[in-house]
Amino acid sequence: QKEVEQNSGPLSVPEGAIASLNCTYSDRVSQSFFWYRQYSGKSPELIMSIYSNGDKEDGRFTAQLNKASQYVSLLIRDSQPSDSATYLCAVEGPGGFKTIFGAGTRLFVKA
Amino acid sequence: KAGVTQTPRYLIKTRGQQVTLSCSPISGHRSVSWYQQTPGQGLQFLFEYFSETQRNKGNFPGRFSGRQFSNSRSEMNVSTLELGDSALYLCASSTGTSGSSWTDTQYFGPGTRLTVL
Repeated sequence: QKEVEQNSGPLSVPEGAIASLNCTYSDRVSQSFFWYRQYSGKSPELIMSIYSNGDKEDGRFTAQLNKASQYVSLLIRDSQPSDSATYLCAVEGPGGFKTIFGAGTRLFVKA
Repeated sequence: KAGVTQTPRYLIKTRGQQVTLSCSPISGHRSVSWYQQTPGQGLQFLFEYFSETQRNKGNFPGRFSGRQFSNSRSEMNVSTLELGDSALYLCASSTGTSGSSWTDTQYFGPGTRLTVL
């Protein structure tokens, strides 16, 4: 079992729709969870971090964490073509100071 | 403030050779992490350094090593290169002062594209 699992996609949504990206992780003691966005040919950039159960909103982005289900999700409201990228779910790894990434979900937003 | 810089940006080596990659973190950042990114395996953690000390490492063979200098600049070395080492090597810097939990924001450099022939 991979430590962080994501559906590789691609996920295709029309412009203006809500894109829903999901992620599960295996280590129950993980405390920190992240969503990174990576455009083709570019480096990853952090878009959301979440540490407590529940929802965290930042503009059009909402991260959701359920530690009991070991599940993290990212919702993108009013999706724009500029949101087309690969979204990487990441979790703090055992021992701390270590980030474990999922394989990423490719998102396409159609104009 | 200047971002994370990595040198060289591109590198071509042959099997059996060794290579050294360099990473200069954002000014004031004391933590540097290294990652390998390949199409098949995705982004994989190699190791993290803070104040010249390795605090954690990933599941890579001993051919992969790193170090950090007193100015926080970091290098990683791969000895006896194999074809499978062809990848994008990314470093990321952060302040590294968030305590035991990994709550710092990591900022990635542009990467070094290594090709092993």
